Amino acid sequence: EVQLVESGGGLVQPGGSLRLSCAASGFTFNRHSMNWLRQAPGKGLEWLSYINDNSGTIYYADSVKGRFTISRDNAKNSLFLQMNSLRDEDTAMYYCARLPLSYFDPFFDYWGQGALVTVSS
Amino acid sequence: EIVMTQSPATLSVSPGERATLSCRASQSVSSKLAWYQQKPGQAPRLLMYGASTRATGVPARFSGSGSGTEFTLTISSLQSEDFAVYYCQQYNNWPPWTFGQGTKVEIK
Repeated sequence: EVQLVESGGGLVQPGGSLRLSCAASGFTFNRHSMNWLRQAPGKGLEWLSYINDNSGTIYYADSVKGRFTISRDNAKNSLFLQMNSLRDEDTAMYYCARLPLSYFDPFFDYWGQGALVTVSS
Repeated sequence: EIVMTQSPATLSVSPGERATLSCRASQSVSSKLAWYQQKPGQAPRLLMYGASTRATGVPARFSGSGSGTEFTLTISSLQSEDFAVYYCQQYNNWPPWTFGQGTKVEIK
């Protein structure tokens, strides 16, 4: 069974940093591209960042470029999101999500349960 | 960036009735369109991809159609567990991956 479990969320002051983790199991992690997405309270879904299977290709949404860094450790079946210079508007539930193996069908086939990040003074 | 627009924002439907949700793309996305279901307090769940292919375990009462810029998700006979928010998402031009704002299906 595919499982994605996020951790590392919490309360942080504006300007602060936080590192999210996503532990993957039930599939061959090092073959799949992975992503981070978020959902602000009562709002829709926003894609944030993509990393391919070998970390050779990385993309960011403009809203987080230069502040957030995605990475992965295939030996530990883990995905990370380092979030710096956090703002009030970064308050959201953060999800990790998997892409299927096919490069031509990059939809999000499995999602974690989310990690809540609250940015407030 | 492709903008996805869903309508209506809220759909009030009685159990057993049919629900039709719409999604429009600002430019053609071919058939690279996915639908997700999200229940309160839960993560989104993949329902449909390729505009009309049901994901594993999705009941046959869910169907998808469309291509290009106009798409539809139909739930043929609403069950209690189907009341949720539904999002469409394009994956034809990425990054970024973009979502519609969601349609809430509520009990009438």
